[in-house]
Amino acid sequence: KNQVEQSPQSLIILEGKNCTLQCNYTVSPFSNLRWYKQDTGRGPVSLTIMTFSENTKSNGRYTATLDADTKQSSLHITASQLSDSASYICVLWGWGKLQFGAGTQVVVTP
Amino acid sequence: GAVVSQHPSWVICKSGTSVKIECRSLDFQATTMFWYRQFPKQSLMLMATSNEGSKATYEQGVEKDKFLINHASLTLSTLTVTSAHPEDSSFYICSARVERSRKGYNEQFFGPGTRLTVL
Repeated sequence: KNQVEQSPQSLIILEGKNCTLQCNYTVSPFSNLRWYKQDTGRGPVSLTIMTFSENTKSNGRYTATLDADTKQSSLHITASQLSDSASYICVLWGWGKLQFGAGTQVVVTP
Repeated sequence: GAVVSQHPSWVICKSGTSVKIECRSLDFQATTMFWYRQFPKQSLMLMATSNEGSKATYEQGVEKDKFLINHASLTLSTLTVTSAHPEDSSFYICSARVERSRKGYNEQFFGPGTRLTVL
């Protein structure tokens, strides 16, 4: 069973709207949690990195939250743009390696 | 952030041939590099961890004789897919680690990926 579960699997939103992606994990212990954006046919690009003691981290229109008690993280995208269409991957650094979620495919439509 | 490049970005080859993929860290030195494989609509799967000057550590189920990894310098790692077959067609992504950067934690930067198609 994957130790990093993401939901929803895919999401379609209108340009300009906000959306929130979820990540539930069982990896323990871990040193940091990351959100990556992966465009189709490209490698992942880091959006945010949070240590286990941080609750929130922002990068422009992207805001990640972390609740270590419930083992949940979310990524909020504000005022979505067409260029936000991509796969968003929740990744935990634990046990000496990155543990990847399956990703949420986001499609932003005009 | 740091830049990791891969070459080629895509390659098409005949079944039975070998293909070499290069991964370079352009503006930093990476003692550890990683090779991942990604199938459509799936997440990245770690194939092996490569440390400069030593043998690579392969994940369970990955054939080390088929996927040859060489990490000859602090800025270059290569993955050679030997005797490639259609089932080896995939998206291969390398990654380079910066140990305990100025931010205080390990950072890992990914290359743009190489699309391998075996006919």
